[in-house]
Amino acid sequence: DADVTQTPRNRITKTGKRIMLECSQTKGHDRMYWYRQDPGLGLRLIYYSFDVKDINKGEISDGYSVSRQAQAKFSLSLESAIPNQTALYFCATSTSRQQETQYFGPGTRLLVL
Amino acid sequence: AQSVTQLGSHVSVSEGALVLLRCNYSSSVPPYLFWYVQYPNQGLQLLLKYTTGATLVKGINGFEAEFKKSETSFHLTKPSAHMSDAAEYFCAVTYSGGGADGLTFGKGTHLIIQP
Repeated sequence: DADVTQTPRNRITKTGKRIMLECSQTKGHDRMYWYRQDPGLGLRLIYYSFDVKDINKGEISDGYSVSRQAQAKFSLSLESAIPNQTALYFCATSTSRQQETQYFGPGTRLLVL
Repeated sequence: AQSVTQLGSHVSVSEGALVLLRCNYSSSVPPYLFWYVQYPNQGLQLLLKYTTGATLVKGINGFEAEFKKSETSFHLTKPSAHMSDAAEYFCAVTYSGGGADGLTFGKGTHLIIQP
């Protein structure tokens, strides 16, 4: 079984809809991250969490919110989706001891019409 | 602030030829450097990383990279390309204690292997 899982793997939604992307990990890591990937732009950090009570904004947090429901779960929400949020979204985890090494989930491909 | 520049959004090499993917970084503090690979429809997989110590780093699948502080570079190489190496490659940087803020990624290089 994969250590970092993301659901759904693919999602199509309409402008204005609320959508949640979920990430779960069995690695026991305390740190979790959400990135988005756009063609030609690489990956950019949206939010990150050191632990359940610690949430931090990344480079491009506008239009997104997150929830760390448990150490193993970190969800990303788009309160009112817009077409330029169409992207590939990745969740990642790391330990506090070796925080620079991040482990990525398989990604969620989101299309906003 | 830190940044990463990957020269060439697409690189094409023949099977069996040398692979060279270029990465230059900008960091005001000693960097930690990474190469990740992304196969089609998959997530990112760590190829190799440099934190401290030996500047020539060996990774999986025969890849290696050398940290050159004077050139602010961390180029990725493989002596002989294989068809299975076709993928997107990302260089990333952070620094000691900075990993918690996430990695800063380059825009990626798509490696094409010609038969």
